[in-house]
Amino acid sequence: ETGVTQTPRHLVMGMTNKKSLKCEQHLGHNAMYWYKQSAKKPLELMFVYNFKEQTENNSVPSRFSPECPNSSHLFLHLHTLQPEDSALYLCASSQASGTANLLNYGYTFGSGTRLTVV
Amino acid sequence: RKEVEQDPGPFNVPEGATVAFNCTYSNSASQSFFWYRQDCRKEPKLLMSVYSSGNEDGRFTAQLNRASQYISLLIRDSKLSDSATYLCVVNKGPQFYFGTGTSLTVIP
Repeated sequence: ETGVTQTPRHLVMGMTNKKSLKCEQHLGHNAMYWYKQSAKKPLELMFVYNFKEQTENNSVPSRFSPECPNSSHLFLHLHTLQPEDSALYLCASSQASGTANLLNYGYTFGSGTRLTVV
Repeated sequence: RKEVEQDPGPFNVPEGATVAFNCTYSNSASQSFFWYRQDCRKEPKLLMSVYSSGNEDGRFTAQLNRASQYISLLIRDSKLSDSATYLCVVNKGPQFYFGTGTSLTVIP
C-alpha cells in the first residue's frame, strides 16, 4: 500500500471515448500531481495542485482536463485522445513545498494507469 | 537545456561491484534533491534524499555538489536486487524535475 491509490490500473480507449483517471491519497498531503511517463523519456509534469488550487499547467493539450475536488482526490478527464497519448500516467502527492518533510519524504507515487489509445 | 541530465546507461555490473551514477541540474536555485528507484513497469519510489553534507544509507551514498550543480549516487557491494532504473530528481518550489533515469543491471 503506497498511500496513493490510482484507478484503473489499465485502460484501453478509443479516440472518441471519454474516460477519467482517479487518484486518491491517504497521507494528509497538500499537493498532488499528474505525470506522464512515455518510453525512454523523463517523467513529464502535467498538472500541479496545491491546496486544491491548480498552480501549474505544463502546456498540456485541452483533451486532458484535471479536477481536484479536495486535497485527497485528483482526477484526470480524458476525451478525444490520440494514439501518441498512450503512456503510463502517474499520480503523486507531497507535502506542500517549503515544509521540512519534503526533503525527508519527497514524492509518493501511485502505481499508475497504463493507458492505451487505439 | 534540460533541467536534469543523466547518463541513461545501461550499466551492467557484476554482483559485488561498486557503481556510481552522476546527474547534473541546470537551475542553481534548486532546493531539494533526491534519488528515486523505478523497477520495470512499476512506479518510482524514493530511494534517498540528498543532503548538502552528503548522506549514507547502508550500501548507498549520495553526494551533492552545489557549486558544480551535480549529485551522485554510489552503490557498494551491488546485489541482484539493485537492478532497476535510478532517477535523479531535483525540486524547486512545487515542481519536481526528473532525469530520464540510469538503467542498472547487476549480473550474477
